[in-house]
Amino acid sequence: RKEVEQDPGPFNVPEGATVAFNCTYSNSASQSFFWYRQDCRKEPKLLMSVYSSGNEDGRFTAQLNRASQYISLLIRDSKLSDSATYLCVVNMQNTDKLIFGTGTRLQVFP
Amino acid sequence: NAGVTQTPKFQVLKTGQSMTLQCAQDMNHNSMYWYRQDPGMGLRLIYYSASEGTTDKGEVPNGYNVSRLNKREFSLRLESAAPSQTSVYFCASRRGASNEQFFGPGTRLTVL
Repeated sequence: RKEVEQDPGPFNVPEGATVAFNCTYSNSASQSFFWYRQDCRKEPKLLMSVYSSGNEDGRFTAQLNRASQYISLLIRDSKLSDSATYLCVVNMQNTDKLIFGTGTRLQVFP
Repeated sequence: NAGVTQTPKFQVLKTGQSMTLQCAQDMNHNSMYWYRQDPGMGLRLIYYSASEGTTDKGEVPNGYNVSRLNKREFSLRLESAAPSQTSVYFCASRRGASNEQFFGPGTRLTVL
């Protein structure tokens, strides 16, 4: 079983739609959680950290469920510019390594 | 601040040739990383360095060597390139264990 699993997509949604991505992780000792965004042929960039109480940044909401070892990302009012691959990232306790999911591809169409 | 820089941006090698990928960061980060990214495989860790003077193997270290030259620089060397090493290589740095990683723009390597 992969340490971090994501639905690869692609998710094709119209502008203005709400879309949700899910991610599961296998190691219960995981400590820090992130969502990264990667545009085509570019480097990954941090979208947002994920906190235990859940957090929101504009149209983006991240949730963490430690009991189910599950992370989600909700994007409201999708824009064409949201088209990208979204990477779920997990850091285990007391390590310097981040574990990346393979990513979920989002395509927003007009 | 330039962030994380990588050279070269593109490289074509013949099987058996050697080369070194350079990476530097100006954010005074302790940890640095080398990843490769292949279609359908996601980002895979090759080597990392938790601090100046230390390096550790990641998930796919075979065929690679690294040097943490100082706090700023972390290089990746391919001694004898193979077609299986055709990939996009990303360098990254990180301040601490709970912090985000910052990535360089990547090196696209083709081995013929």
